[in-house]
Amino acid sequence: QQPVQSPQAVILREGEDAVINCSSSKALYSVHWYRQKHGEAPVFLMILLKGGEQKGHEKISASFNEKKQQSSLYLTASQLSYSGTYFCGTEFLETNAGKSTFGDGTTLTVKP
Amino acid sequence: EAQVTQNPRYLITVTGKKLTVTCSQNMNHEYMSWYRQDPGLGLRQIYYSMNVEVTDKGDVPEGYKVSRKEKRNFPLILESPSPNQTSLYFCASSSGGRAGEQYFGPGTRLTVT
Repeated sequence: QQPVQSPQAVILREGEDAVINCSSSKALYSVHWYRQKHGEAPVFLMILLKGGEQKGHEKISASFNEKKQQSSLYLTASQLSYSGTYFCGTEFLETNAGKSTFGDGTTLTVKP
Repeated sequence: EAQVTQNPRYLITVTGKKLTVTCSQNMNHEYMSWYRQDPGLGLRQIYYSMNVEVTDKGDVPEGYKVSRKEKRNFPLILESPSPNQTSLYFCASSSGGRAGEQYFGPGTRLTVT
């Protein structure tokens, strides 16, 4: 069962913040985040492993709440270049290593 | 330059005509995977490979075959394509032992008529 991302879409003005959530009904081994711009391939942002952690990448950071089986991606002081579709990919604890299930994506639009 | 390459980038074919989409990576990655992407459905894993001669099914393997005879190559084979396999296909590779930090190829847009 694939993870559920929320919201499905968000529109921001430059400089505003956004949070994208990725929730799983199954226990997670890892969560990995990607950004895909229109007509391009997904690009890796960061990975979080079970055990609960938080990571940062420029003005983009993420957390992994092991109790809730949820990861959140935080985009602060958004820039026009942040526009795109964000996907969370997950590996479940109960499935074979390497099996990867993605959410349906969150479309982020940043306007001037 | 570290990259994942796919060929062809665009393909229009007819139902039942066998085709192969090639995928190659030059990063010496052990893990490789194929995904299809359809509008509104995100990325769905077709097959993946943890290493040479080791492959396993993803969530949507029906109608597809793969092989991993060399570390750098992971071709996707459609032996009898059908219109419901019209999609955008991505190959990806990762250096980790699992599906961690994946590098994606540019994609292959397949249309089956």
